[in-house]
Amino acid sequence: QQQVKQSPQSLIVQKGGISIINCAYENTAFDYFPWYQQFPGKGPALLIAIRPDVSEKKEGRFTISFNKSAKQFSLHIMDSQPGDSATYFCAAYGSGNTGKLIFGQGTTLQVKP
Amino acid sequence: NAGVTQTPKFRILKIGQSMTLQCAQDMNHNYMYWYRQDPGMGLKLIYYSVGAGITDKGEVPNGYNVSRSTTEDFPLRLELAAPSQTSVYFCASSEGNNYGYTFGSGTRLTVV
Repeated sequence: QQQVKQSPQSLIVQKGGISIINCAYENTAFDYFPWYQQFPGKGPALLIAIRPDVSEKKEGRFTISFNKSAKQFSLHIMDSQPGDSATYFCAAYGSGNTGKLIFGQGTTLQVKP
Repeated sequence: NAGVTQTPKFRILKIGQSMTLQCAQDMNHNYMYWYRQDPGMGLKLIYYSVGAGITDKGEVPNGYNVSRSTTEDFPLRLELAAPSQTSVYFCASSEGNNYGYTFGSGTRLTVV
């Protein structure tokens, strides 16, 4: 119940295309869903986050779509650029007052020029 | 404004040696975390702390110890290094529930 399942494991997209990464969770107590972006040799950095009271959040070319009934959320990267090539992690806040994030397994995105 | 600072960036240990990975944050965050990242395995929580003097185990605590004597510092101790502890270690901090983490740049540890 504490897992977050992320797919695909890797993704190759042409420049200008749309990158889509999906995550699913089981614990209905999760109420904060961030996405992190990690470049090689760096720590993950917060990219965008959503709470379950909204179905979509957009920041520039990055959009989170959230489906509460299906317990799924996804990251869409519009007009993908080579500079977007990185590993992306979805996450969810676990239950309790500990602020512990549960991370997905990660998706390695390669955007070809 | 440094954020989360981890030292060292790289380290090679021999089996059985001990070391401390340092982590410091200057954002006055109460919550701090240690994760390890193995290739293709995502981030696994080792230990976390919700404030000075309070620590608790995460998903993979065996072989590690932590202490939190101040809000700023959260060191991770490896007592008897084993090859299975070869990994990249990330420290992170946050303001609390439902806030994003700020990660350090990581420590790449190799045990030979």
